[in-house]
Amino acid sequence: SQQGEEDPQALSIQEGENATMNCSYKTSINNLQWYRQNSGRGLVHLILIRSNEREKHSGRLRVTLDTSKKSSSLLITASRAADTASYFCATDRNNAGNMLTFGGGTRLMVKP
Amino acid sequence: GAVVSQHPSRVICKSGTSVKIECRSLDFQATTMFWYRQFPKQSLMLMATSNEGSKATYEQGVEKDKFLINHASLTLSTLTVTSAHPEDSSFYICSASGVFYTGELFFGEGSRLTVL
Repeated sequence: SQQGEEDPQALSIQEGENATMNCSYKTSINNLQWYRQNSGRGLVHLILIRSNEREKHSGRLRVTLDTSKKSSSLLITASRAADTASYFCATDRNNAGNMLTFGGGTRLMVKP
Repeated sequence: GAVVSQHPSRVICKSGTSVKIECRSLDFQATTMFWYRQFPKQSLMLMATSNEGSKATYEQGVEKDKFLINHASLTLSTLTVTSAHPEDSSFYICSASGVFYTGELFFGEGSRLTVL
């Protein structure tokens, strides 16, 4: 069964605007990660947030985690056309933390 | 970051033939490799987990005789789609995890299989 659900499924914004994507999951986790996938390509790791963290930043990325609501959000500030991609959240399924279950993904289009 | 190479990136084959996809970790020892399948505009679905030197562990609903996985060395895992059918057409992606997993999985670039 799919652990994570993301919304929106698709998001279209203008360059310079912020993009917010949300992810919900069902069971307890050790970590939650966000990945990016350009069309027809592999996944690139963006950021990992641990279950005892509430917020994390990396460049223009800001991730929040609310374990009580079993949800996370990814905010991309000052978006660029190059940010156009699909974004997936992923939760760990095993103690090692390397077996991941991916959410449905958000397809982000940033218009120049 | 570490590099995972996947080959071929695209393959077209006829129904009934077998296709092998390779996943290599180029600069680290991958003790565990994961194989995912992705349909258009959908998420990644884990197919199986392979540990070096051991038999792969398949997810429920994945036919192990259909999708043969071999992880014979710490840098190479292969996925063989046997007796391929058009419904096997998909995007297959591998990921690799080293001995000291730090929370970042490294993914191959994916292999698009089209079965005619």
